[in-house]
Amino acid sequence: AQSVAQPEDQVNVAEGNPLTVKCTYSVSGNPYLFWYVQYPNRGLQFLLKYITGDNLVKGSYGFEAEFNKSQTSFHLKKPSALVSDSALYFCAVRDTGTYKYIFGTGTRLKVLA
Amino acid sequence: ETGVTQTPRHLVMGMTNKKSLKCEQHLGHNAMYWYKQSAKKPLELMFVYSLEERVENNSVPSRFSPECPNSSHLFLHLHTLQPEDSALYLCASSQGGLEQETQYFGPGTRLLVL
Repeated sequence: AQSVAQPEDQVNVAEGNPLTVKCTYSVSGNPYLFWYVQYPNRGLQFLLKYITGDNLVKGSYGFEAEFNKSQTSFHLKKPSALVSDSALYFCAVRDTGTYKYIFGTGTRLKVLA
Repeated sequence: ETGVTQTPRHLVMGMTNKKSLKCEQHLGHNAMYWYKQSAKKPLELMFVYSLEERVENNSVPSRFSPECPNSSHLFLHLHTLQPEDSALYLCASSQGGLEQETQYFGPGTRLLVL
């Protein structure tokens, strides 16, 4: 069965420092991987996705994610964090052959001024 | 905004009430989804509709009843809910339900069952 894991409930980082939010996955077949962000009292917003091609995927708001097949990881990164990046981040994998998205439990990112 | 709207944004109901949540998408998509988001738990997919036909029903109790009258509208009818059903209910849509597609989410309805 497909699954994703976000091992950190919360990540704290100082403004201006690089940030990483971790995600590992387990799929049978080709992985379709997504990152979404949720701000308070809002729905999820799409950040980026990996379908095929370059392992480094660039997305919205300066975020990028690195697909690593050997480590089955899809970590979200940003070179320089902003206070406004503070939010809840979800990794997701699309279940092959179904309509289901499988989401991780989310990681709360706190960027400290 | 993402083009997916949900009403109401907040709802308080008793266990004997009947209420409905509404979702509307303005993106021309053909697939729509209901999710339940509870604290400390992954998003739970509840229902999926593709071209107004239900294609996924993820073992959801019958006190939740979805309706998709057309590709732009999705409802979730609620009756005799339990306090543990209190959560944020999110609607989403995608172009056609294919695996590589992005889902677009509404802002959610915060439901409290007393």
